[in-house]
Amino acid sequence: QVQLQESGPGLVKPSQTLSLTCTVSGDSISSGGFYWSWIRQPAGKRLEWIGRISTSGNTNYNPYLNSRLSMSVDTSKNQFSLRLDSVTAADTAVYYCARDRLWLVDLWGQGALITVSS
Amino acid sequence: DIVMTQSPDSLAVSLGERATINCKSSQSVLNSSNNKNYLAWYQQKPGQPPKLLIYWASTRESGVPDRFSGSGSGTDFTLTISSLQAEDVAVYYCHQYHFSPLTFGGGTKVEIK
Repeated sequence: QVQLQESGPGLVKPSQTLSLTCTVSGDSISSGGFYWSWIRQPAGKRLEWIGRISTSGNTNYNPYLNSRLSMSVDTSKNQFSLRLDSVTAADTAVYYCARDRLWLVDLWGQGALITVSS
Repeated sequence: DIVMTQSPDSLAVSLGERATINCKSSQSVLNSSNNKNYLAWYQQKPGQPPKLLIYWASTRESGVPDRFSGSGSGTDFTLTISSLQAEDVAVYYCHQYHFSPLTFGGGTKVEIK
């Protein structure tokens, strides 16, 4: 079955850039017409939708993050990625990559804890 | 943004009893063009990602036990676990996917009494 796995640095310094990659296994990222999403969960807080990208590169971003955010997709590697600039402690969270079918998130990765600290 | 408000924050239910979780959205998530409510429910167990249980407010995802049911329309929704099992201990989130940015409720923690 389809599985998603996040990979990233774990610790990022304030003002630097957070980069995460999600690898999709079990099927081609290009099949099924899905979008591919990022969602984060700060400790003790509610889930926050970050944005989504199609395999053709169309994106939808959360307006609160839009100025710092970019997403990309590499269909040859079956991966999609997140880049968040100028991070602060408020960006500390578990980051999930996920599959999105017509805006409904139906499958999640295991999550990656990203801590912003000097 | 659409604000999703869940109640209660937590509840303790005896095994085999009914658990009911409420969710209210600040705007209607009913799409009048297709008459579908863009409301989903997720279950999250400790150390695990959320798992999709219900979408379109009342459609169970494949493989989800039929003791889980969703109801409601417009701005008011309910998730019901008809007979609580030990494996149902988790945090449950409602989620609207009608308007961007997508938003989630604050979660309801379900425990065994």
